Amino acid sequence: AQSVTQPDIHITVSEGASLELRCNYSYGATPYLFWYVQSPGQGLQLLLKYFSGDTLVQGIKGFEAEFKRSQSSFNLRKPSVHWSDAAEYFCAVGARYGNKLVFGAGTILRVKS
Amino acid sequence: KAGVTQTPRYLIKTRGQQVTLSCSPISGHRSVSWYQQTPGQGLQFLFEYFSETQRNKGNFPGRFSGRQFSNSRSEMNVSTLELGDSALYLCASSLAEAGGLFGTQYFGPGTRLTVL
Repeated sequence: AQSVTQPDIHITVSEGASLELRCNYSYGATPYLFWYVQSPGQGLQLLLKYFSGDTLVQGIKGFEAEFKRSQSSFNLRKPSVHWSDAAEYFCAVGARYGNKLVFGAGTILRVKS
Repeated sequence: KAGVTQTPRYLIKTRGQQVTLSCSPISGHRSVSWYQQTPGQGLQFLFEYFSETQRNKGNFPGRFSGRQFSNSRSEMNVSTLELGDSALYLCASSLAEAGGLFGTQYFGPGTRLTVL
């Protein structure tokens, strides 16, 4: 069965600083990997996804993530954080067959000015 | 293209009652999945429907059920509500194919259910 670990519950970053959110997964085959963002009172918005191919994936809002098979990781990065990026971020894994997402516990990002 | 819509957005019920939540997927999407989000358990998969058939199911009791209509709209029902059912219920739709290949899921804003 798939599982996802997001080691950091909270992260605080200064506006303009770089950001990296960690995600580790457990799955027997090549997973489908996703990052979602959830703002207060909102549903989930897809930031980016990895299915196959180039291991560096570009997403919306200036985010990118890198799939590292050897480390079972899919970390999310942004070179310069904006105050509007404050939200909760979820990493998720899906199996190739079986339309079900398994989510990590989430990382709450705070941005200080 | 309109996104995923969920109704109602907020709901207050008492223990023992039942509730029905509705989800309208993005036009053309045939797969609808439901998730429960709580502070303690996080986001958990409930079930997925494709072409009016339940294709995947999570680890929830039989009090949680769903269905999908021919227009892909889906409803989720919870019977005999318990306090622990208070949660944000999220619906997601995708273009998942008939073979079950994974499709990117697009989420609605959710229905906030409070059980008193």
